[in-house]
Amino acid sequence: QKEVEQDPGPLSVPEGAIVSLNCTYSNSAFQYFMWYRQYSRKGPELLMYTYSSGNKEDGRFTAQVDKSSKYISLFIRDSQPSDSATYLCAMSEGIKAAGNKLTFGGGTRVLVKP
Amino acid sequence: GAVVSQHPSRVICKSGTSVKIECRSLDFQATTMFWYRQFPKKSLMLMATSNEGSKATYEQGVEKDKFLINHASLTLSTLTVTSAHPEDSSFYICSAAPSYLYQETQYFGPGTRLLVL
Repeated sequence: QKEVEQDPGPLSVPEGAIVSLNCTYSNSAFQYFMWYRQYSRKGPELLMYTYSSGNKEDGRFTAQVDKSSKYISLFIRDSQPSDSATYLCAMSEGIKAAGNKLTFGGGTRVLVKP
Repeated sequence: GAVVSQHPSRVICKSGTSVKIECRSLDFQATTMFWYRQFPKKSLMLMATSNEGSKATYEQGVEKDKFLINHASLTLSTLTVTSAHPEDSSFYICSAAPSYLYQETQYFGPGTRLLVL
């Protein structure tokens, strides 16, 4: 079993719909959670960073963390064709524990159709 | 802020030659930088962790003599693929972790596409 599980997709939605992405993890030591967006042939771009259970909102993006269930989510409201990309979740035990080392999910490919 | 650059963006070389890839944090200092490799439609695979002023830590299965890493300053790390072979062709991505400790995340460079003929 992988430490971080993420549905590879592809996830196809119409423009304007809400995109719902999630990851599950098995390592209870993970304390920091990130979502990255990666366009084809580009480096990952940090979208959201959270370190506590609950919701965090930034523009059209909402990140949700449930540490008790070991489950994190990313919601994208009012999706646009430009949101079409691969979304990667990533997690860390923290600098003191693991020196910034991130564990990634496999990524979910999202396609927003005009 | 938090911009990481990589150079070159793509490189083609002959088998047996060495290739150097640079990773720079442009507007922050990074005590730690990371080197990843990514195959098509796959997630990132961590190759090594690079700490400024000390030897890199390589992940299991990564040949340290083949993938030489140097982290000479707080804004620059280099990856040298020595005696490159076609199977080394891949997308190499670096990331940098800001030195300020309240944020435990990484910022990624745009990647370098290596093709070994």
